[in-house]
Amino acid sequence: QVQLVESGGGLVKPGGSLRLSCAASGFTFSDYYMSWIRQAPGKGLEWVSDMSSNTAYVNYADSVKGRFAISRDNAKNSLYLQMNSLRAEDTAVYYCARRHDSTRGIDYWGQGTLVSVSS
Amino acid sequence: QLVLTQSPSASASLGASVKLTCTLSSGHSSYGIAWHQQQPEKGPRYLMKVNSDGSHNRGDGIPDRFSGSSSGAERYLTISSLQSEDEADYYCQTWATGIQVFGGGTKVTVL
Repeated sequence: QVQLVESGGGLVKPGGSLRLSCAASGFTFSDYYMSWIRQAPGKGLEWVSDMSSNTAYVNYADSVKGRFAISRDNAKNSLYLQMNSLRAEDTAVYYCARRHDSTRGIDYWGQGTLVSVSS
Repeated sequence: QLVLTQSPSASASLGASVKLTCTLSSGHSSYGIAWHQQQPEKGPRYLMKVNSDGSHNRGDGIPDRFSGSSSGAERYLTISSLQSEDEADYYCQTWATGIQVFGGGTKVTVL
């Protein structure tokens, strides 16, 4: 069965950095687009970033552009999110999610990892 | 600008039906959407994709109590035979080149 397991969350000071990881299993990882979605406490879902299966296409929400970087290692079935220059408003649960391709939405979600940005 | 609009809340009695609406912004009425359910203190779960013609494809293990439909710029999620575990937040999602968009979510209360 499809599994997406995030890790790497934690407490970080404003201006700091953090790297999230997502371990995928149960499907051919290299065939799928992957996304990061976040949810601030008590708020709705916010798309953060996308990467195509072959890494050729990368997209970011305006709120994180220039600060966050998505990457993947298809040999390790893993997705990553490097988060730099973190702000209080980046505090959220970060979800790893799968998409078939750019013409479809998300069809599987991870359980999330909490990132807290506070001094 | 691609925007999805959802009512903040809906409620219905145990065993009844509830119909949720997701409205696409002007100029985007041909877009498909996906519905996701988020139960309290859990991560989201994909329910189905709904196309502009009303056809829909449920995700793995999603019961047929959940169905989708469309009319113009509106996309619907109908939950029949409401059960207590259906009390959750429901989000619609759409996408375009280089972007994904979520609606604000609808909180469903089972009375």
